[in-house]
Amino acid sequence: DSGVTQTPKHLITATGQRVTLRCSPRSGDLSVYWYQQSLDQGLQFLIQYYNGEERAKGNILERFSAQQFPDLHSELNLSSLELGDSALYFCASSKRVTGELFFGEGSRLTVL
Amino acid sequence: GQQLNQSPQSMFIQEGEDVSMNCTSSSIFNTWLWYKQDPGEGPVLLIALYKAGELTSNGRLTAQFGITRKDSFLNISASIPSDVGIYFCAGQLGNNNDMRFGAGTRLTVKP
Repeated sequence: DSGVTQTPKHLITATGQRVTLRCSPRSGDLSVYWYQQSLDQGLQFLIQYYNGEERAKGNILERFSAQQFPDLHSELNLSSLELGDSALYFCASSKRVTGELFFGEGSRLTVL
Repeated sequence: GQQLNQSPQSMFIQEGEDVSMNCTSSSIFNTWLWYKQDPGEGPVLLIALYKAGELTSNGRLTAQFGITRKDSFLNISASIPSDVGIYFCAGQLGNNNDMRFGAGTRLTVKP
């Protein structure tokens, strides 16, 4: 158990819908990362937050947004969903801005 | 962008054999990490490297941070069936904070 909690574990929805994925980092970790992993693919970096502020942005679509709240949990919002958005979405946390990342078990999103 | 090239893409080996995989980049990294991912689970950190030339072991695993800071390798000695999974390298630049991942090496160990 990494200490990073992601909910929901599984989510099935329809095209055009909007979903919110939630992540609680390890106790004491200030940095939260979001990654997308499509079937049998690598981990695509989406976005990073540190202590509530956005620190780095990857190939995140405009339909996606995220934020980190004062209690350090983070949410990833995915809107106008398309079939190609079906993937595993991982959250990871670390103590500092840089350094070792610890991953949650992921949220599996299926768009039908 | 700062792409990581990880090779090989997949490996099929016999139990007991040694394994070697590596990551290279055209960019200089300050941190190299190696992760293992089992099916349906999140990646788990195996080894972290922070200094050029650093050689670190974790049981049967050994990883090195390349002198040029543009590459890293991971060796697994005397492989066992539970070594099966996908191994990812990850690198972090100094001027950016995001952690970039290689495409992964899928390891299959035949008993």
